[in-house]
Amino acid sequence: TQLLEQSPQFLSIQEGENLTVYCNSSSVFSSLQWYRQEPGEGPVLLVTVVTGGEVKKLKRLTFQFGDARKDSSLHITAAQPGDTGLYLCAGSFGTDKLIFGTGTRLQVFP
Amino acid sequence: SQTIHQWPATLVQPVGSPLSLECTVEGTSNPNLYWYRQAAGRGLQLLFYSVGIGQISSEVPQNLSASRPQDRQFILSSKKLLLSDSGFYLCAWSVLGVGGYTFGSGTRLTVV
Repeated sequence: TQLLEQSPQFLSIQEGENLTVYCNSSSVFSSLQWYRQEPGEGPVLLVTVVTGGEVKKLKRLTFQFGDARKDSSLHITAAQPGDTGLYLCAGSFGTDKLIFGTGTRLQVFP
Repeated sequence: SQTIHQWPATLVQPVGSPLSLECTVEGTSNPNLYWYRQAAGRGLQLLFYSVGIGQISSEVPQNLSASRPQDRQFILSSKKLLLSDSGFYLCAWSVLGVGGYTFGSGTRLTVV
């Protein structure tokens, strides 16, 4: 069974702090995506990474795909209350099906 | 533009009653369609996916079934709900080879 573990499970920080969320698997991904979900809504795609070692930036968010394509990280610089939500990584293993990670719930306090 | 509609938004059903959740997609043809269930504040579990009309793949054994009677319509059903069927159900679509899923706004199902 392919499993995507995210850490930490919960993160509670003050506005302005930096943070990193990790997504790990024992399997090699063909591609990996990050989503953010707000309560009562469906997840919204943030980014897709496909190449080992790839780094993508989305304003204050930096996404990195591991060289071996087994892991990924999401780094947020100077977090803001609007960043609050559930962050989900999701990996594809060569098909169009996505396997989602266990989720990281982020709370940013003003 | 491409949109996805999912309804109802919330549903409270007694144990043993039937279930029908509907999802429709607009603005795209021949999408892949998915049903996921999410436990409170956690990751998503893939329940069913479909690559075409009448083609359904089940990912986990359970009390639910899915059907795709039209290209852009995906239905999640149960003949008799169990307490363990409670959860947040999400429908999503994608186009093969083009990155990313687009999710509906979900249905919160509570079985009582």
